[in-house]
Amino acid sequence: AQKVTQAQTEISVVEKEDVTLDCVYETRDTTYYLFWYKQPPSGELVFLIRRNSFDEQNEISGRYSWNFQKSTSSFNFTITASQVVDSAVYFCALVYSGGGADGLTFGKGTHLIIQP
Amino acid sequence: KAGVTQTPRYLIKTRGQQVTLSCSPISGHRSVSWYQQTPGQGLQFLFEYFSETQRNKGNFPGRFSGRQFSNSRSEMNVSTLELGDSALYLCASSTQPPGTGGGGYTFGSGTRLTVV
Repeated sequence: AQKVTQAQTEISVVEKEDVTLDCVYETRDTTYYLFWYKQPPSGELVFLIRRNSFDEQNEISGRYSWNFQKSTSSFNFTITASQVVDSAVYFCALVYSGGGADGLTFGKGTHLIIQP
Repeated sequence: KAGVTQTPRYLIKTRGQQVTLSCSPISGHRSVSWYQQTPGQGLQFLFEYFSETQRNKGNFPGRFSGRQFSNSRSEMNVSTLELGDSALYLCASSTQPPGTGGGGYTFGSGTRLTVV
């Protein structure tokens, strides 16, 4: 069985601070994909990044960066110089990339509050 | 390019009734999956369709069903509604068959169902 843990239920920071959202996953599969999604109050899940289990390269996209470490089964997400518009619930998710997978397994989400 | 369209956006039903939700995937996407989001259980996988066939189903009772049409549009149906079925129902579309993850998942804005 797969499991995704986002231990931080809620994080509140002041604008312009850096913030890291933690994600730890469990899977017996060797091939899988990891995702981060953002969910604003409107409800739609907005795709942020997809990472293949064979690709451990970290990635930076503007103010966003991701650190993938298979050795610790973690896929953490950092926002640099946070902005009020970053306030949302962020979900980490996992899917097995072989046949018969039961869809995405999501963590419980981290509610990020950026205060002006 | 139009995104994933879910209708209706909001719905209020009475216990015991049934409901049908609709999802139109991105043009060219043949895989459609459904998720239920509640405050208590978070995001849970319902089922996934590819080429008009249900490929996987999550751990939900038989009251939850779905189908996919030849144009890839999908509907999900919940019969004999219970108060606990109140949730945000999200649909996602993908270019790839279930389980590959390679095509990523694009989500719609969801249908918020309230059962009274």
